[in-house]
Amino acid sequence: NAGVTQTPKFRILKIGQSMTLQCTQDMNHNYMYWYRQDPGMGLKLIYYSVGAGITDKGEVPNGYNVSRSTTEDFPLRLELAAPSQTSVYFCAGRTLEGAKDYGYTFGSGTRLTVV
Amino acid sequence: GENVEQHPSTLSVQEGDSAVIKCTYSDSASNYFPWYKQELGKGPQLIIDIRSNVGEKKDQRIAVTLNKTAKHFSLHITETQPEDSAVYFCAASNGKGGSQGNLIFGKGTKLSVKP
Repeated sequence: NAGVTQTPKFRILKIGQSMTLQCTQDMNHNYMYWYRQDPGMGLKLIYYSVGAGITDKGEVPNGYNVSRSTTEDFPLRLELAAPSQTSVYFCAGRTLEGAKDYGYTFGSGTRLTVV
Repeated sequence: GENVEQHPSTLSVQEGDSAVIKCTYSDSASNYFPWYKQELGKGPQLIIDIRSNVGEKKDQRIAVTLNKTAKHFSLHITETQPEDSAVYFCAASNGKGGSQGNLIFGKGTKLSVKP
């Protein structure tokens, strides 16, 4: 199993450009998440999904969009990049069966710089 | 909602010493408490977790303890080694679906192990 795979690993965007951060998983996770981590800081939840076709906002959703057309894929879209979106982005998958939580599996991250 | 406080924010120890990181939580319904290790340039990795029906769990040099009455849990690392240097995150969840059941993370502890 590859786990949770994120692409690209690095990207530099100009202000106003758009891009999609890709995330795919082969662990049959029902839940998927997007977090951002600013330098020296903790994890902030952007969006999450509880299953295919269902997404919801997290703590910091402004400037981002997501979709979940399949269980495996959960792309994050930036429409008009701004310097404030310079960060490291992590995708995570989670399996929740009934009330039993198996924790999150994180991808290796995408380092995005907006100039 | 759930709130997780983590202390200290930074911790420096000599190689071979023990390290202890503490977290408190607010939601008495929380029943799952994972710990993640994030090495420089990588995504967080699950290192140990504990459920509310257990008071302590060990895995070689790391252990986690849970005090449900006091609503706090701790990570203990014995015989620290330079490769233990990383940022450690605690988290808590109640196993419910939707936003109420998302893992709530502490702000992280940067552990430095000096040779």
